[in-house]
Amino acid sequence: QQQVKQSPQSLIVQKGGISIINCAYENTAFDYFPWYQQFPGKGPALLIAIRPDVSEKKEGRFTISFNKSAKQFSLHIMDSQPGDSATYFCAARSGFNKFYFGSGTKLNVKP
Amino acid sequence: DVKVTQSSRYLVKRTGEKVFLECVQDMDHENMFWYRQDPGLGLRLIYFSYDVKMKEKGDIPEGYSVSREKKERFSLILESASTNQTSMYLCASSFYPSRGGELFFGEGSRLTVL
Repeated sequence: QQQVKQSPQSLIVQKGGISIINCAYENTAFDYFPWYQQFPGKGPALLIAIRPDVSEKKEGRFTISFNKSAKQFSLHIMDSQPGDSATYFCAARSGFNKFYFGSGTKLNVKP
Repeated sequence: DVKVTQSSRYLVKRTGEKVFLECVQDMDHENMFWYRQDPGLGLRLIYFSYDVKMKEKGDIPEGYSVSREKKERFSLILESASTNQTSMYLCASSFYPSRGGELFFGEGSRLTVL
């Protein structure tokens, strides 16, 4: 049973548009929610992360929105660029050590 | 920059062979992890280690074992490879506790079992 559910599986967005990826979880013991970005042939790299006591975090064009009561969080990429084309994974941390990942979203930003 | 190095990028093995995947990190991280990445399933934790000679099972440990004899090195062992172990294997490391929720990943080892 997947601990973190991610959607959509793939996403096509026009350049300049907004990309939105959603994740949901059940375990209220999760204490950190990072997003990772993975380019082909590379390992995932941390993009942005949020704690559950914060409702929103913004870094440049990337924003995490967090809804604790709904147990959902999402990544918004504003002004999406072709260079943002990658696979994105949401994740949740449990007990300082264990991370559970979503199934991934392959984003294609068309020029 | 943190560097997590996986010794082999591509391996092709036969069913029943013993396979070693090795990972080295240069940041003195306490935690090291082995994940398996499959399309549509994301990253699934096989094993992790929070100290030398310490290990804990992840979500899919069956058919795998690990070894951590030195802090910087974490090995994944497939005792008898099977075709359903064909996958991308990712090693990662972090501080304990992980700072800012950050794991540092290697570039992956793509294993094909024939």
